[in-house]
Amino acid sequence: GAVVSQHPSWVICKSGTSVKIECRSLDFQATTMFWYRQFPKQSLMLMATSNEGSKATYEQGVEKDKFLINHASLTLSTLTVTSAHPEDSSFYICSAGTSGGSSIYYDEQFFGPGTRLTVL
Amino acid sequence: QQQVKQSPQSLIVQKGGISIINCAYENTAFDYFPWYQQFPGKGPALLIAIRPDVSEKKEGRFTISFNKSAKQFSLHIMDSQPGDSATYFCAATDSWGKLQFGAGTQVVVTP
Repeated sequence: GAVVSQHPSWVICKSGTSVKIECRSLDFQATTMFWYRQFPKQSLMLMATSNEGSKATYEQGVEKDKFLINHASLTLSTLTVTSAHPEDSSFYICSAGTSGGSSIYYDEQFFGPGTRLTVL
Repeated sequence: QQQVKQSPQSLIVQKGGISIINCAYENTAFDYFPWYQQFPGKGPALLIAIRPDVSEKKEGRFTISFNKSAKQFSLHIMDSQPGDSATYFCAATDSWGKLQFGAGTQVVVTP
């Protein structure tokens, strides 16, 4: 089956620093990757959608200058949390979608294992 | 606001019993309805999914029932096992491929 990895699996950083999270599709090419955020005991909230080679589309209320997303290749997307603060502490999950023709319509999303970010 | 409403928030079922989780939606543009299982500290994993042209889909002990006219769908877990203890999310996908998740149901299966 389709496998998505994330690195690191957990990270602790000081307030004001930046943290980069990588999301890789290991055995398929992902034309679209999604980034989610999940707080304890809550559902997944979509942050942004990224397509390979183009700028990410952010959901309403998500600061694009704070959460930098780069989708440089069909197998790698990165999320950089800039100037992290304690309120950014969360579980960040990526997913990758395969493309059926020119659209991801009807295609599944395969989720990574998540990255636990703790900002002190 | 949550576009997919999920209930109950939590449920406890005895081993061998049936777990039932319900979801409802309003957006008729949704055309793919997956269910995800998530264990603590892990990413969600696709459990089973259904398209709106089908009223029921069964895979092993997991069954989705779909009522298009009522805009409701549900997950039934038959013969629940302690290993099924997890959080379950229903979701719906629009034509842009974005997943809208329900709030989640924490299922505890007692021995």
